[in-house]
Amino acid sequence: AQRVTQPEKLLSVFKGAPVELKCNYSYSGSPELFWYVQYSRQRLQLLLRHISRESIKGFTADLNKGETSFHLKKPFAQEEDSAMYYCALSGSGNTGKLIFGQGTTLQVKP
Amino acid sequence: KAGVTQTPRYLIKTRGQQVTLSCSPISGHRSVSWYQQTPGQGLQFLFEYFSETQRNKGNFPGRFSGRQFSNSRSEMNVSTLELGDSALYLCASSLGPHLNYGYTFGSGTRLTVV
Repeated sequence: AQRVTQPEKLLSVFKGAPVELKCNYSYSGSPELFWYVQYSRQRLQLLLRHISRESIKGFTADLNKGETSFHLKKPFAQEEDSAMYYCALSGSGNTGKLIFGQGTTLQVKP
Repeated sequence: KAGVTQTPRYLIKTRGQQVTLSCSPISGHRSVSWYQQTPGQGLQFLFEYFSETQRNKGNFPGRFSGRQFSNSRSEMNVSTLELGDSALYLCASSLGPHLNYGYTFGSGTRLTVV
């Protein structure tokens, strides 16, 4: 079964501290993994995807197929990073069907 | 350019009624997907349409249906509403049928069933 697990509902860190939002997935084929972010009173938006291997707003994520993980990391958290973060998976065929995790609220304290 | 527009923004319906939600994608986008968001289940995929054809369907009962028109606008319909259908319904559009194109989400329609 296709599943995305984000074990932390809430992650609270101080400004300047490193951040790691955990994401584990279950999928038998070769998945495409994404991170979406929803800032307060804003729409859900794509943050990054593993195939791009890019860094957006200082965030990076590496797909670890051995551990079936796609953790989101940032070395120094900023207050404006406070938001809800969703990890999502797309199965083979790379269609528009996304399987989302339950989300992690990141709270960056001053 | 205008983003993904969902109407109405809020809706209150009674159990047993039916409801139609509308989604206007970004101009030029031909792919539309729908998601249901609830506190308990999170974000769950409903359907995906491309060029008026349903390409994928999520694990929802037949009371949930959708369609896409030739101008790429999409509607979803829920018949015989149940209390558990109360949710935020999100629509997302993309240029093409693959996630490589990137999906842009709308603000959603908040449906409350009483």
